[in-house]
Amino acid sequence: SQQGEEDPQALSIQEGENATMNCSYKTSINNLQWYRQNSGRGLVHLILIRSNEREKHSGRLRVTLDTSKKSSSLLITASRAADTASYFCATQSGGSNYKLTFGKGTLLTVNP
Amino acid sequence: DTAVSQTPKYLVTQMGNDKSIKCEQNLGHDTMYWYKQDSKKFLKIMFSYNNKELIINETVPNRFSPKSPDKAHLNLHINSLELGDSAVYFCASSTGTGGYQPQHFGDGTRLSIL
Repeated sequence: SQQGEEDPQALSIQEGENATMNCSYKTSINNLQWYRQNSGRGLVHLILIRSNEREKHSGRLRVTLDTSKKSSSLLITASRAADTASYFCATQSGGSNYKLTFGKGTLLTVNP
Repeated sequence: DTAVSQTPKYLVTQMGNDKSIKCEQNLGHDTMYWYKQDSKKFLKIMFSYNNKELIINETVPNRFSPKSPDKAHLNLHINSLELGDSAVYFCASSTGTGGYQPQHFGDGTRLSIL
């Protein structure tokens, strides 16, 4: 069953602007991960945030996690055309340490 | 030096045929996965092997049979292909400890059933 739900489904911005994508999930988690998928390619891991963490940074990426609201956000600052891709959140829950449950993704288009 | 490689990249075949997709990882990971991504980009886990042992087996028709000859390889065999099997199939791998590790994906095999 689907766990994560990204919002918005699609986002179009201009180069240089910031992009924010949100993810909501239903059950308690061990960690939440964000992945990027370029057209025709596999998913690439971006960042992992554990359930006891509230915020993580990696380069131009900032991820927050609010376990009380069962939600996470991914912020990409100073976006570039090369950031155009689909972005997925994925959660690991309960005793299933190896299983990731993915959301439907947000398609981000960065216009030059 | 591709980390997770799948072959073939494209597979076009007739309904009712049997086909296999191969996956190899050179990352030294203990755990490998098969995912199915449908036309709406929804990605769902199908199977996972840890050190050649099946650990995740989601509700998948038994026409799909994974095989792990060693921990660097996980192949997927599909019998009696149906139209609904058309999708992109992704192989992935991760280290097997603790469940806090990211997964590394191949570039997918696009399966089209005629």
